[in-house]
Amino acid sequence: ETGVTQTPRHLVMGMTNKKSLKCEQHLGHNAMYWYKQSAKKPLELMFVYNFKEQTENNSVPSRFSPECPNSSHLFLHLHTLQPEDSALYLCASSPTSGGARKGQFFGPGTRLTVL
Amino acid sequence: AQTVTQSQPEMSVQEAETVTLSCTYDTSESDYYLFWYKQPPSRQMILVIRQEAYKQQNATENRFSVNFQKAAKSFSLKISDSQLGDAAMYFCAYRSAAGGTSYGKLTFGQGTILTVHP
Repeated sequence: ETGVTQTPRHLVMGMTNKKSLKCEQHLGHNAMYWYKQSAKKPLELMFVYNFKEQTENNSVPSRFSPECPNSSHLFLHLHTLQPEDSALYLCASSPTSGGARKGQFFGPGTRLTVL
Repeated sequence: AQTVTQSQPEMSVQEAETVTLSCTYDTSESDYYLFWYKQPPSRQMILVIRQEAYKQQNATENRFSVNFQKAAKSFSLKISDSQLGDAAMYFCAYRSAAGGTSYGKLTFGQGTILTVHP
């Protein structure tokens, strides 16, 4: 248990559905991240939030919409996804004070399947 | 931009033996951090060990140690006395020490699947 939780753990959705992934961290961190992990590919950083402000968007398609209402919660809203979006979506958090040397703490991930 | 390369897609080791996973990286920065993460089949990514680039001493965490060669931009992970629970995907990661919009960003390698044989 790293203090980062993600729900749901598994999600199957059609291409016309709208769903949301939730991430919550109980570590008092101020930075949160969304990653996409596909088979046989390196982890892809999608979004970075620092103190609730988005500081990085790695050219992610607009069908992925992040939301960070506070430093403890991060959402990824999904709509009109494509089958190639099927992947494991990982959330992570890190402290901003001295955070660089401490690395990031990851949640268990949401396994997303788009039909 | 920084890149991280893990040239071993898969490795295997006998229980109780030692195995070394390779990682190289490319950067023009002088101050940065390097990490090894472990992702077991349960999928929870766990930090195994970290190295600060300005420290010459190699980091050690129990059975895990690194061989950090800054000039060669190499950061290998050695697992001693391998255990069945060490079986996982291992990722090498780089993080800049610089601030700004790149703060917090981790660049990962492709990962190495480690199998431990009883």
